[in-house]
Amino acid sequence: DQQVKQNSPSLSVQEGRISILNCDYTNSMFDYFLWYKKYPAEGPTFLISISSIKDKNEDGRFTVFLNKSAKHLSLHIVPSQPGDSAVYFCAALYNFNKFYFGSGTKLNVKP
Amino acid sequence: DGGITQSPKYLFRKEGQNVTLSCEQNLNHDAMYWYRQDPGQGLRLIYYSQIVNDFQKGDIAEGYSVSREKKESFPLTVTSAQKNPTAFYLCASTRSGLSYNEQFFGPGTRLTVL
Repeated sequence: DQQVKQNSPSLSVQEGRISILNCDYTNSMFDYFLWYKKYPAEGPTFLISISSIKDKNEDGRFTVFLNKSAKHLSLHIVPSQPGDSAVYFCAALYNFNKFYFGSGTKLNVKP
Repeated sequence: DGGITQSPKYLFRKEGQNVTLSCEQNLNHDAMYWYRQDPGQGLRLIYYSQIVNDFQKGDIAEGYSVSREKKESFPLTVTSAQKNPTAFYLCASTRSGLSYNEQFFGPGTRLTVL
């Protein structure tokens, strides 16, 4: 049973516009939520995280929003740049030692 | 340079052979993880280890084995019992503790079983 879901396998956005990547989860006991960026044939790299007790965290062009009642989080990238094109994974941390990952969303930012 | 190394980057094996994937970290992290990624799927946890000489099964441990004899090393053996071993394997590590610690990933090993 998949506890973290990314229902959009791909997203295409024009350069300079906002990219919104979505993620849903089922376990209300997750401690932290994270977003990772991944290029082909490489390991994921950490992008931004949010504690389960917060509802927003911002880092430069990246903002993560957490809606606990809906068990939903989203990553906003503003403005989107061609270099942002990659696969983005949503992840959730349980009991501070086990990570659950979504299936990823491939973002394509068109120049 | 601190980081996680996985070798080799590409690995080919014949069906029925066991193969061991290497993972080494010099970050002084306590916890290490092995994930498998298949096309169109997220990362699925195979095994993880919080301390030396101890490890736990993840969600898809069948057909795999691990050891944790040293803090820096967490090799993964893909045995002949694993029915679909062809995949991209990722190793990761974090510091342990009752707070959030970022998980760092290695570059991955792509295993192809012929």
